[in-house]
Amino acid sequence: GESVGLHLPTLSVQEGDNSIINCAYSNSASDYFIWYKQESGKGPQFIIDIRSNMDKRQGQRVTVLLNKTVKHLSLQIAATQPGDSAVYFCAERDSSYKLIFGSGTRLLVRP
Amino acid sequence: DSGVTQTPKHLITATGQRVTLRCSPRSGDLSVYWYQQSLDQGLQFLIQYYNGEERAKGNILERFSAQQFPDLHSELNLSSLELGDSALYFCASSTTGGGNSPLHFGNGTRLTVT
Repeated sequence: GESVGLHLPTLSVQEGDNSIINCAYSNSASDYFIWYKQESGKGPQFIIDIRSNMDKRQGQRVTVLLNKTVKHLSLQIAATQPGDSAVYFCAERDSSYKLIFGSGTRLLVRP
Repeated sequence: DSGVTQTPKHLITATGQRVTLRCSPRSGDLSVYWYQQSLDQGLQFLIQYYNGEERAKGNILERFSAQQFPDLHSELNLSSLELGDSALYFCASSTTGGGNSPLHFGNGTRLTVT
């Protein structure tokens, strides 16, 4: 089963290269951000989060960067692997404490 | 495996009918969230419960309702179904109710209204 529709922006990268997925968020008052990965037929899977008092956070092969000045969030994946192919969503906690999701980016990893 | 269980996995029903979707949160999580994912709208927040009480409401139609029971499982009831209600419905849970901890999602219920 497909996870989302056909009109997502798509990032195509070569296996082994680094990937950068970008997200513009809407609310300057948002104070908590999360990246999720969604594979076909599955629910979104937590990757990494960051609070607004930080600019950068690193996990295993992933780094999230937060630029509050321009309301921009990015997810960097090092040494991208075929298993990284999925749809990636950023989410922000808004001022009413709801987690609001972006529209998603499809990552395709070429062998 | 996120630890969040949703049943059924698939549901096919006719317009005008009513269905109930069920969610069991991760052990220890007090907060449950419902999201709708359709092809052209991404993940849309519907409603959140925390320890049995409604905490936040999103774009949930009046035909839809939800509740969280004392054992913390939750049900989403969809009535007077329309073709446009066909979508994936996800449940998620978290330890806190303030949205400042990660949500862990189940694998969803795919609803098809014919």
